[in-house]
Amino acid sequence: QQQVKQSPQSLIVQKGGISIINCAYENTAFDYFPWYQQFPGKGPALLIAIRPDVSEKKEGRFTISFNKSAKQFSLHIMDSQPGDSATYFCAASSAASNTGKLIFGQGTTLQVKP
Amino acid sequence: GAGVSQSPSNKVTEKGKDVELRCDPISGHTALYWYRQSLGQGLEFLIYFQGNSAPDKSGLPSDRFSAERTGGSVSTLTIQRTQQEDSAVYLCASSLEWSGGGYTFGSGTRLTVV
Repeated sequence: QQQVKQSPQSLIVQKGGISIINCAYENTAFDYFPWYQQFPGKGPALLIAIRPDVSEKKEGRFTISFNKSAKQFSLHIMDSQPGDSATYFCAASSAASNTGKLIFGQGTTLQVKP
Repeated sequence: GAGVSQSPSNKVTEKGKDVELRCDPISGHTALYWYRQSLGQGLEFLIYFQGNSAPDKSGLPSDRFSAERTGGSVSTLTIQRTQQEDSAVYLCASSLEWSGGGYTFGSGTRLTVV
């Protein structure tokens, strides 16, 4: 019940296209859903995050869509650029845990072709 | 410091040896986390420190793993009698108390056990 399932494992998109990565969770206590971006040799960096009181959050070319009833959330990257090529992780946590511990998905390797 | 600093960046050790990995969090961040990232895998939670509270050690995979945090700042992750399956990138993150998962990660220590 603590798992966060992420798909696809890898994704190839043409420059200018839309990249979509999906995540699903089981634990209804989760109330914070961030996405992290990781470049080779670097630690993950927070990209965008959402709480379940909203269904969508947009920051620049990055949008999170959240479906509370389906227990799913997704990352959309509009106008994908070669510089977006990285590994993306979704994650979830619960304030009730009092730890801030994040449960991460398995990651999606995105390649944006020029 | 400006970011989370981890050392060493790379460590090669012989099977059976003990290793110590160091994390220097962002100044003022009271929460500190250790995660493990195996090749092609997601991030696996290991341990969490928050101020003077007892650490959450629920993610440590075996009693060969231990961690401490001295003076509420620097943390050391120790792996005793290393095994080949311990080979991974060990990531440290810090945050302002329970900040809803807005961690700042270090670049990690890549551990290779030969």
